[in-house]
Amino acid sequence: AQSVAQPEDQVNVAEGNPLTVKCTYSVSGNPYLFWYVQYPNRGLQFLLKYITGDNLVKGSYGFEAEFNKSQTSFHLKKPSALVSDSALYFCAVSISGTYKYIFGTGTRLKVLA
Amino acid sequence: KAGVTQTPRYLIKTRGQQVTLSCSPISGHRSVSWYQQTPGQGLQFLFEYFSETQRNKGNFPGRFSGRQFSNSRSEMNVSTLELGDSALYLCASFQTGNTDTQYFGPGTRLTVL
Repeated sequence: AQSVAQPEDQVNVAEGNPLTVKCTYSVSGNPYLFWYVQYPNRGLQFLLKYITGDNLVKGSYGFEAEFNKSQTSFHLKKPSALVSDSALYFCAVSISGTYKYIFGTGTRLKVLA
Repeated sequence: KAGVTQTPRYLIKTRGQQVTLSCSPISGHRSVSWYQQTPGQGLQFLFEYFSETQRNKGNFPGRFSGRQFSNSRSEMNVSTLELGDSALYLCASFQTGNTDTQYFGPGTRLTVL
């Protein structure tokens, strides 16, 4: 069965420090991997995706993610966190040719001033 | 381009009633997906439509149904509401092709009393 795991419910990081939000997946076939962010009372905003090609993907607001096939991971990173990055982050996977996303449970990022 | 719009944004119903939620995709997007977001279950896929046809369906009871119109607008209906149906219902539209990225609307917050 296909699944996505976000092992941390919450990540705390000081402003200016690098941040990492973890995601691992289990799928058969070639995965399409995504990160979305959700602010309170809002929908999900697309951050970045990996389809194929370079393992390091750059996205919106200075975020990037590294696809690691051997570890089946797609961790979200940012070199220097901002207080405004505080939000709920979701990792998702879909299988090429289908339009059904499987989401992780979400990780709440709290950036402390 | 305007983003995905959902109406209404907030809805309060009582058990046993039915409800219809509406979603207008981004102009030119022909695929629409629906998700239910709850604190306990996270984001769960409901169904996906393309060209007025349901292509994928999640594991929800038959009380949950949807449809898509020729202009790509979509509605979802929940009949015989239960307390557990209280959730944020998110609609997303796809730009099929190389991107395969879903763009989400702000959601409809449904409260069942």
